[in-house]
Amino acid sequence: GQQLNQSPQSMFIQEGEDVSMNCTSSSIFNTWLWYKQDPGEGPVLLIALYKAGELTSNGRLTAQFGITRKDSFLNISASIPSDVGIYFCAGRGGATNKLIFGTGTLLAVQP
Amino acid sequence: SAVISQKPSRDICQRGTSLTIQCQVDSQVTMMFWYRQQPGQSLTLIATANQGSEATYESGFVIDKFPISRPNLTFSTLTVSNMSPEDSSIYLCSVWTEVNTEAFFGQGTRLTVV
Repeated sequence: GQQLNQSPQSMFIQEGEDVSMNCTSSSIFNTWLWYKQDPGEGPVLLIALYKAGELTSNGRLTAQFGITRKDSFLNISASIPSDVGIYFCAGRGGATNKLIFGTGTLLAVQP
Repeated sequence: SAVISQKPSRDICQRGTSLTIQCQVDSQVTMMFWYRQQPGQSLTLIATANQGSEATYESGFVIDKFPISRPNLTFSTLTVSNMSPEDSSIYLCSVWTEVNTEAFFGQGTRLTVV
């Protein structure tokens, strides 16, 4: 199935560092969603974006909907060990309006 | 948001058998979907579960292999038929509470086929 390009594929950082990851698409989306998945669990919604240029925060997390509507980024500030997991972007739009997922970013945080 | 319960949470099945996964939502939802997540991979949409009519399948997925039911606005089932080891994956139910809003996921069903 179709997937979004998400980078980086993995990140290994020290506790307290800031993190940035992004997704790009060849298609225009009208919604961007960011999820975190812990082992053995389903994805949990972190942030939802509905408008080009929109910048939304959820605690230490900040995400933006790109102006071109073809990209989005997620920032995590002052990372902590519980931020460990896999982060997925997901975009929705086009004729079918299906939710398409990014390839995922594995985040490891060393205390 | 919506609370989504999937059963079973995990299972180990013999090849050639079938498994039916249930998805129960605590409120009526507009849309229900089924995804597959192969080991170490992202999520791939299998189909949209349509209430009262046949599911809409994505390319590469067929009704004979993945029959889906959705008898009402809070419940759906996905059956993985005639299983082979390649079907070993996490299967996830997802819902939209309103059209074009957030999508929420169940905890997934981890299937291992031996």
